[in-house]
Amino acid sequence: AQSVTQPDIHITVSEGASLELRCNYSYGATPYLFWYVQSPGQGLQLLLKYFSGDTLVQGIKGFEAEFKRSQSSFNLRKPSVHWSDAAEYFCAVDFSGGGADGLTFGKGTHLIIQP
Amino acid sequence: ETGVTQSPTHLIKTRGQQVTLRCSSQSGHNTVSWYQQALGQGPQFIFQYYREEENGRGNFPPRFSGLQFPNYSSELNVNALELDDSALYLCASSLGEQGTDTFGSGTRLTVV
Repeated sequence: AQSVTQPDIHITVSEGASLELRCNYSYGATPYLFWYVQSPGQGLQLLLKYFSGDTLVQGIKGFEAEFKRSQSSFNLRKPSVHWSDAAEYFCAVDFSGGGADGLTFGKGTHLIIQP
Repeated sequence: ETGVTQSPTHLIKTRGQQVTLRCSSQSGHNTVSWYQQALGQGPQFIFQYYREEENGRGNFPPRFSGLQFPNYSSELNVNALELDDSALYLCASSLGEQGTDTFGSGTRLTVV
């Protein structure tokens, strides 16, 4: 079965430090890849997406992600986190490459920011 | 432009009852998808509607059904509610079947 793995359930980072959230997926071809952020009691906000082309993708709020085909990974990075970045982060994959099968989400990584 | 609006925000139902959740898509969007997010989990795809037809479905039983209206708003109906149906239900809209989803804030359903 197609799956998305976010191996870190919780990550704690000091404010101003760099951040990397990991995401791996199971599939051979190149799917569409997404990162969403969810604050408590809120819906999902799109941070960035990758369909094709340059494997380093820039998003909102200073986030970027790199697609590595050989590792089936799409890790999210930020050079310097702010207290307002504390939230739940979800990696999502469209395995049908734009079809009608919806997104498959990972279980999320809870980001805690230490002052 | 308005975003995706869902109603109600919270709902409590009794096991065995039926529920209808509503979603107004973002202006200009013609595709609506529904997701179920259990506590502590990522969202799971229920189904997608495009031009008033269901054109994709996840691993959910038939008691989960939906509608899309000519103005592209949508309803999710769940019959014979079970305790495990307690979750946050998220609606997402996009332009075309290959568009990027814009999510609403969700409806929190509690089944007791």
